[in-house]
Amino acid sequence: EVQLVESGGGLVQPGGSLRLSCAASGFSVGANYMTWVRQAPGKGLEWVSIIYAGGATYYADSLKGRFTISRDNSNNTLYLQMNSLRGEDTAVYYCARVGTWEYYDMDVWGQGTTVTVSS
Amino acid sequence: EIVLTQSPDFQSVTPKEKVTITCRASQSVHTALHWYQQKADQSPKLLIRHASQSISGVPSRFSGSGSGTDFSLTINNLEAEDAATYYCHQTSSFPLTFGGGTKLEIK
Repeated sequence: EVQLVESGGGLVQPGGSLRLSCAASGFSVGANYMTWVRQAPGKGLEWVSIIYAGGATYYADSLKGRFTISRDNSNNTLYLQMNSLRGEDTAVYYCARVGTWEYYDMDVWGQGTTVTVSS
Repeated sequence: EIVLTQSPDFQSVTPKEKVTITCRASQSVHTALHWYQQKADQSPKLLIRHASQSISGVPSRFSGSGSGTDFSLTINNLEAEDAATYYCHQTSSFPLTFGGGTKLEIK
């Protein structure tokens, strides 16, 4: 079964760091484009970052320099390292697989992990 | 950044009705526009890719159309299980962006 399971969320103080994980099963993270999308409480969806199969990465402009997307092909896991966290980073973070490389639709989503930034 | 404007923000409909949700892009996204359904406390689910391509496992009452800057998602013969928030999403250029969402209530 194709599945994504996120973990690593929690409560962190402003200025702190957190690393989210997204374990994949049924397909290879390294052979696919993978993304992170977040959703603040009661708000809509916001794209965070993407990593290509070849390793290239892109980020939302507001997050550049603070967040880093990466993957471990041997563990078939995607990561999101989040530094210098702010209150506005409070959200549910979803990982998703890009279904078609031509169109970048997201065809498989995890259940999400909640990050709360508060003192 | 390409801004996607959805309308309406909210709609209350009765079962068996037909509903159309529109998504307008601030510049052309060609057909790199997708639709997602998000039910309460669940992850988003891909409904339509590439403006009008159906997705395996998604009921045929969901359809999409459009190109350039104007797109629509149509749901025929609404069912109670269609209560959800619907988002359009453009992948024509970075940063990838989502519409603000349309919340559909089934009476």
